[in-house]
Amino acid sequence: AQTVTQSQPEMSVQEAETVTLSCTYDTSESDYYLFWYKQPPSRQMILVIRQEAYKQQNATENRFSVNFQKAAKSFSLKISDSQLGDAAMYFCAYRTPLGGTASKLTFGTGTRLQVTL
Amino acid sequence: EPEVTQTPSHQVTQMGQEVILRCVPISNHLYFYWYRQILGQKVEFLVSFYNNEISEKSEIFDDQFSVERPDGSNFTLKIRSTKLEDSAMYFCASSDRGYQETQYFGPGTRLLVL
Repeated sequence: AQTVTQSQPEMSVQEAETVTLSCTYDTSESDYYLFWYKQPPSRQMILVIRQEAYKQQNATENRFSVNFQKAAKSFSLKISDSQLGDAAMYFCAYRTPLGGTASKLTFGTGTRLQVTL
Repeated sequence: EPEVTQTPSHQVTQMGQEVILRCVPISNHLYFYWYRQILGQKVEFLVSFYNNEISEKSEIFDDQFSVERPDGSNFTLKIRSTKLEDSAMYFCASSDRGYQETQYFGPGTRLLVL
């Protein structure tokens, strides 16, 4: 079974600084997807960024980028120029590709990010 | 931008009562999911649904739970006899079949069982 581990329960970053959230996963699959979701206090799950395992290039979305190390099964999220609105719970998630069935997301336990002035 | 919607946003019920949580997935999506999140814990998969049948279910999804797509737009989760431990946030999600296999989540229904 696939597992996702987020070893940092809480992180703190100053506004305008950069922070990296860690995620590791365990799988025997060679093809899969990885995601970072943000959950603000409203508790809605918002997609931040996704990475396809077959792509060597790290995904980027504006101030958000990932460091995907497939051999190490590591998928960290870097937030640059942190803003107060980035304060939230961040969940790393893993998914096998669709093969005619609906494949589930497996989530990590989350990292709570605080942004300070 | 299309989005997943869920109703109600909050529901309070008595233990043993039946509840139905409703979701309207994104219109061209074919794959539907329910997840739950107990307060302070991680998001857990409950069930996935495709082509009018359950694709996969977790050990949480026992006989008290059922899902249905009663028409072309709604996707429901029914809990037949609620327990205290069913209190959680319930998220519906949907995805399409194409390259962009991202699951998009609704805003959630906060269920409180008293």
